[in-house]
Amino acid sequence: DTAVSQTPKYLVTQMGNDKSIKCEQNLGHDTMYWYKQDSKKFLKIMFSYNNKELIINETVPNRFSPKSPDKAHLNLHINSLELGDSAVYFCASSQIPGLAGGGAKNIQYFGAGTRLSVL
Amino acid sequence: AQSVTQLGSHVSVSEGALVLLRCNYSSSVPPYLFWYVQYPNQGLQLLLKYTTGATLVKGINGFEAEFKKSETSFHLTKPSAHMSDAAEYFCAVSTGNQFYFGTGTSLTVIP
Repeated sequence: DTAVSQTPKYLVTQMGNDKSIKCEQNLGHDTMYWYKQDSKKFLKIMFSYNNKELIINETVPNRFSPKSPDKAHLNLHINSLELGDSAVYFCASSQIPGLAGGGAKNIQYFGAGTRLSVL
Repeated sequence: AQSVTQLGSHVSVSEGALVLLRCNYSSSVPPYLFWYVQYPNQGLQLLLKYTTGATLVKGINGFEAEFKKSETSFHLTKPSAHMSDAAEYFCAVSTGNQFYFGTGTSLTVIP
C-alpha cells in the first residue's frame, strides 16, 4: 500500500501541450504539497493545501494550477508547457501544516515523483 | 525569516569513513528540524527529526544528528559509510506554517 502515490511516473510531452499530474494519499492527512525539483536537485515548494484550501502559493507561473477535489487528492495541471518546466515534481502530505499541534504531525511523506520532460 | 543552508553540495567519503553533512538554519522561533534522504530515482524519505527533548537524534540506517542551538546547526553524521548510503540528503526546517528545504548534499561513497 503506497502512502503517497503519483501518476504518471514519467511524462514526456511537446511544448505547448497541457498535462496533469495526479496525487493521492491514503494516510488520512489534512495537508498536501507540490514541489518542483530541478536538474540541480534543488527542491522548491509550489503549493500547499490544507483541508482542500490553498495555504501556500509560491511564485509560480499561473500556467500551473493545483486542484484538490478532496483531502486525499491534490492534482497539478500545467497549461502551455515550456522547456523550463522539465523537472521532477513531487507530491507530499503531512498530518497538519507547520507546527500547529506540535509533535511530529508536520512530517512530510513524499511520493516517488513524476519526471516531466518537455521537448 | 527562516532558511536552511547546507554547506557543500557534494561530499565524497571512502567506504568505512565518517560521514558528516552540514546543515545550519536560521529561525526566529524554535524550529523543528529534519533530514531527508533521496536515493536515485526515488522520492524523499525521512531519515530523522528533532522536535523537542534530547538534542542527539538517532535515525534509520545508523545516521544521527545533533541539534546545537548555540551554533544553529543540525549536522548529520554516520560513523562508517556504506556504499548504499550514496544518495542526496536534504536538511529541512519547519516553523509556523512553512517547511523549508536546503539545497541538498550529494553523498558519494568511494569503494
